[in-house]
Amino acid sequence: NAGVTQTPKFRILKIGQSMTLQCAQDMNHNYMYWYRQDPGMGLKLIYYSVGAGITDKGEVPNGYNVSRSTTEDFPLRLELAAPSQTSVYFCASSRAGTGGVQPQHFGDGTRLSIL
Amino acid sequence: GQQLNQSPQSMFIQEGEDVSMNCTSSSIFNTWLWYKQEPGEGPVLLIALYKAGELTSNGRLTAQFGITRKDSFLNISASIPSDVGIYFCAGHPGTYKYIFGTGTRLKVLA
Repeated sequence: NAGVTQTPKFRILKIGQSMTLQCAQDMNHNYMYWYRQDPGMGLKLIYYSVGAGITDKGEVPNGYNVSRSTTEDFPLRLELAAPSQTSVYFCASSRAGTGGVQPQHFGDGTRLSIL
Repeated sequence: GQQLNQSPQSMFIQEGEDVSMNCTSSSIFNTWLWYKQEPGEGPVLLIALYKAGELTSNGRLTAQFGITRKDSFLNISASIPSDVGIYFCAGHPGTYKYIFGTGTRLKVLA
């Protein structure tokens, strides 16, 4: 049982390049989330999904896109990389619970630098 | 976007000392969580609280769900060097999302 797996762990991009950050979970969780964490800061929600085929914007969605074609996978795409997107990206998942959502489980992150 | 007020922002303590940190919000939450993040890793869940007034322990860690449902506290007793890290609180307002605090950076001096 691997939990939440993120790939790659590190990546350097040039301005204007595109890439997809992969996230997979094997816990059959309905809900999945993408966060970014800037140096010395907390977690900001980029996008989330409540199930396959359903996604919604978080606080900082600009410059990103997501899709959720299966329960297991929730990739995050950067179309035109900008220096402001240099950050550590975390994927998380959780299941529904009484009155809301159970605690989120996090992957180990993707460290992305855009130069 | 909404974030919780977490304090202190950072702290240096001597090994063996007790540590206290807290999180406050202007909104009511149904669930409070406490996570620890070590360098190069993702946050790991320490304690989950589901009822106002609830007090829950996990080894040397104890957390409480405030009775107003707008705050939570985490205490670490007899700190050791491996307690170093960033501690995040998170509140669940009853939607699909959690709101995260800005973190307390803990450094333990041996």
